[in-house]
Amino acid sequence: EAQVTQNPRYLITVTGKKLTVTCSQNMNHEYMSWYRQDPGLGLRQIYYSMNVEVTDKGDVPEGYKVSRKEKRNFPLILESPSPNQTSLYFCASWDRGHYGYTFGSGTRLTVV
Amino acid sequence: ELKVEQNPLFLSMQEGKNYTIYCNYSTTSDRLYWYRQDPGKSLESLFVLLSNGAVKQEGRLMASLDTKARLSTLHITAAVHDLSATYFCAVDRFHGNEKLTFGTGTRLTIIP
Repeated sequence: EAQVTQNPRYLITVTGKKLTVTCSQNMNHEYMSWYRQDPGLGLRQIYYSMNVEVTDKGDVPEGYKVSRKEKRNFPLILESPSPNQTSLYFCASWDRGHYGYTFGSGTRLTVV
Repeated sequence: ELKVEQNPLFLSMQEGKNYTIYCNYSTTSDRLYWYRQDPGKSLESLFVLLSNGAVKQEGRLMASLDTKARLSTLHITAAVHDLSATYFCAVDRFHGNEKLTFGTGTRLTIIP
């Protein structure tokens, strides 16, 4: 089944403790992206990657890092999480040959 | 900067009624998407609209696109309770960053 897999689904952590949210897709898509969803703000792009070793900032990149060492994986790294990063996070992948983005199931992060 | 506005933000309607959700975007885009999201869940792709005058229908939902007016509509016919969800429109532009820009969403509640 074609899918984007995120882990974990839920995470509660403390301020300053580094964490990584993993994202993996099995569709051989070149393009991957991370979004955060906050009430009243819709979804906003954090980072994106056009292909392996090619990443760039989206609209809200502060406090986040990403890497794209393999085509299928695109982890989101929070080096020093803060409470304002409490949010629902989605990973998505897309390819030029398709007409839509496939979203992961989401990661609900709470930073206390 | 591309901006996407949806209205209404909240919509409560009775079963059996018809209604329309509107999506306006500020600059030329390449594609327009409609997504459905149930509480705590991921985004489910409903429609992808590629060109002016495009109309797509699935069950009680019909989406249309007017690129000259920069307007898309999602029409709900004879609403049923199962359609209760949050609906997002999103647009993208192919200029290096193939980013989806989302509207803030319309929370639809169908009352029996």
